[in-house]
Amino acid sequence: GNSVTQMEGPVTLSEEAFLTINCTYTATGYPSLFWYVQYPGEGLQLLLKATKADDKGSNKGFEATYRKETTSFHLEKGSVQVSDSAVYFCALSDSNTGNQFYFGTGTSLTVIP
Amino acid sequence: GAGVSQSPSNKVTEKGKDVELRCDPISGHTALYWYRQSLGQGLEFLIYFQGNSAPDKSGLPSDRFSAERTGGSVSTLTIQRTQQEDSAVYLCASSLGPYGEQFFGPGTRLTVL
Repeated sequence: GNSVTQMEGPVTLSEEAFLTINCTYTATGYPSLFWYVQYPGEGLQLLLKATKADDKGSNKGFEATYRKETTSFHLEKGSVQVSDSAVYFCALSDSNTGNQFYFGTGTSLTVIP
Repeated sequence: GAGVSQSPSNKVTEKGKDVELRCDPISGHTALYWYRQSLGQGLEFLIYFQGNSAPDKSGLPSDRFSAERTGGSVSTLTIQRTQQEDSAVYLCASSLGPYGEQFFGPGTRLTVL
């Protein structure tokens, strides 16, 4: 079946630190992979996505590369800011299973000045 | 409106009562999803509507849960005979079609006393 496993939090970093949030997946077909972000008091919004192997999604300084060989889609940012404090969700969509989205449990990030 | 809207934003009910949660998707979006987000948990898929196709109900946790989508637009999630374990944030999302970016509403926080 399909599933997403992401690094448990919470994660606390100092401003300008390097961020990695690990995400691995299992899928029956050829999934598309996503990172969604939920800022405090707001709804989930798409941060970035990749639709095939070796694609790199990027947005707002965040990057993630679709690695089929390691079934991973780790989220990285070189220098985090206080405004990046949020909960991050890794997700996949697999057309083999009716387009249902599978989300990880979320990783809470707090960036301190 | 420009985004997905949900109502009510908060609902407190007594165990055993029925509740209805409403979702207004973005105009023109053919796909609509319902999720449940429990404290400390990821997003749990509940149901997916795509155009006029039969909905994917595989995520509904019990027969107390049902949903409908009228006219391919507004959707209502109904929970009958609510239980305390139904307490969660219920999120609705819509997308232009299958595989597309999902746009999330702000959610309805349901508390069952």
